[in-house]
Parts: sequence; C-alpha cells; structure tokens
Amino acid sequence: DVKVTQSSRYLVKRTGEKVFLECVQDMDHENMFWYRQDPGLGLRLIYFSYDVKMKEKGDIPEGYSVSREKKERFSLILESASTNQTSMYLCASTEGPLNTEAFFGQGTRLTVV
Amino acid sequence: KQEVTQIPAALSVPEGENLVLNCSFTDSAIYNLQWFRQDPGKGLTSLLLIQSSQREQTSGRLNASLDKSSGRSTLYIAASQPGDSATYLCAFLSGSARQLTFGSGTQLTVLP
Repeated sequence: DVKVTQSSRYLVKRTGEKVFLECVQDMDHENMFWYRQDPGLGLRLIYFSYDVKMKEKGDIPEGYSVSREKKERFSLILESASTNQTSMYLCASTEGPLNTEAFFGQGTRLTVV
Repeated sequence: KQEVTQIPAALSVPEGENLVLNCSFTDSAIYNLQWFRQDPGKGLTSLLLIQSSQREQTSGRLNASLDKSSGRSTLYIAASQPGDSATYLCAFLSGSARQLTFGSGTQLTVLP
C-alpha cells in the first residue's frame, strides 16, 4: 500500500516563526500536493510539484513556499507564520499526471498563536 | 473553472439503511473521479476511483457510479453501519487541470 507520511499530527507555533511541514511518500510517485482545509471552505490547493525541483502555484500560494529536493519528499514552508494560517494541512501524492489515484497523509493540525 | 457540488451537506440515517450520496460537476471533460472518506481530525482515505472510461466501481458495500453526460456521480452505501459515520468527499481530475477539484463533502451519521 502507498504510504504518505506527514511529519507532525499537531503543531503550535508563534506568529512570525518560520514553519516547516514535511511530507514523505514511499511509492516513487511523480506528483505531490499540499492542501489546506478549513471549515466552510473545503480543501484548497496551495502548491504542487510534478518532479524534483519543480513546483507550481495552486489556488492560494500567498504566504507559503515549497521545496522538493528529492522525489519522495515535499516540504511546505510558512516563511512568517500568521494566525490566519491556522488550519489543517494535507499532503497528497499521485503516481502520474492523469487517471491515477490520489493518496493522502494523516494531516497536520497547525495552530499559530 | 470546474465546480463540484455535493448534496446533501449532512445526512443522518438509522443503522441498516441503504443510502446514496450525490456529487455533481460542471466540466464533462474529466479524466477520473475519486471518492474519499474523512474521519474527524484525520486525513482523507481513498474509497473508490472511477476512470473516465468506466461507469462504476464497487468495493464491498460501496458502489460508485459516474455519468459524464449528466455531470453526476453517486456513492451508494449498502446496509449502513455506525462505523460508516464520517465525511465523504468526491473529487474530479479534469482535462484542464492536473490536480483534483473537491466537493465540500457530505457529513454522514449512522445511528445505532
């Protein structure tokens, strides 16, 4: 079975801190994604990556950056955390660009105080 | 832009009932659709994937169908159990994008 692992289930950070959320998949998938999920707003795509060192903006990239130095790892970076970035963050991966099943990590609940 | 709507937003049924969750979309040029389950505070678990050339998929008590011409998908759950209580989300991969577009979900409660 595909496994997508997020480094933390829960995080509490202070406003202005630099925050790293890590995601690792173990099935050599090409594509990786970061979403955030908020009540009433559903899942919104932040960034995605089709290959190592490649990244593309999703619907809400402001305030975030990403890094993909290795195929199995996709990091989401909050350069200066703000309270409006308190959310559930979800990482996902797919094998290829089309017609493939998406697998999600267990989620990271980030609280910025 | 692809729009995905899930109705109802919430549903409560007694144990043992068969039920149908609905998902509609606006772009018929889809590549696949996927149904997920999400328990409170957890990530998404993939339930069923339907490719664009398929009309339905089955897994245990779950059956998902796809009708591209009408822009609809349904998830049928047979003989519901309290353990089925969760939020169910549908998501589409369309030809114009390489990422999934999600519905807002249906929160299902199965009462013992």
